[in-house]
Amino acid sequence: SQTIHQWPATLVQPVGSPLSLECTVEGTSNPNLYWYRQAAGRGLQLLFYSVGIGQISSEVPQNLSASRPQDRQFILSSKKLLLSDSGFYLCAWSVGLLAHEQFFGPGTRLTVL
Amino acid sequence: TQLLEQSPQFLSIQEGENLTVYCNSSSVFSSLQWYRQEPGEGPVLLVTVVTGGEVKKLKRLTFQFGDARKDSSLHITAAQPGDTGLYLCAGALSPSGGYNKLIFGAGTRLAVHP
Repeated sequence: SQTIHQWPATLVQPVGSPLSLECTVEGTSNPNLYWYRQAAGRGLQLLFYSVGIGQISSEVPQNLSASRPQDRQFILSSKKLLLSDSGFYLCAWSVGLLAHEQFFGPGTRLTVL
Repeated sequence: TQLLEQSPQFLSIQEGENLTVYCNSSSVFSSLQWYRQEPGEGPVLLVTVVTGGEVKKLKRLTFQFGDARKDSSLHITAAQPGDTGLYLCAGALSPSGGYNKLIFGAGTRLAVHP
């Protein structure tokens, strides 16, 4: 069966510090991968998606970037965090470019102080 | 801008009551998903509806997709404390650039009290 991991689970970082969040998927090959951000108890905003190694599409202009160095690894980064980057970050996967269903990881709670 | 409006935002009920959550949009979706999310965890997929007018049942939960595929509802019968959580609907737009984008509603936070 497929599983998705995210780490760290929680992170507290000062403004201006760098960021690296990691997501890995097991049990599937060539998944589509997604990074979302969720404001407190609300809906999800798509940040990035990737259909393959090195292929990244950005949905919204922002202070963050994403990379996919391996088939089942997706990384969310920032060179200098802003207060507004605080939130709950979720990684998700789907199989097949036209797949309707996405499956989510456990999330990373980021607090920027 | 595609929007998926979800209502109500908050719902606090007693165990045994029935409830309905709604998702509405002016956009046509190729499918619609319902998720439930616990605090501090990722959303868990409950169901996907694809065909206009489709009804799916998952134990005490009934999901319906509107005939025009622009809206959906989730009905819970005899709610239990274990149903407590954030319910999210997500509509899949027709492929653009070879990709099915999901648009999420803002969520309905349900609290079921014993």
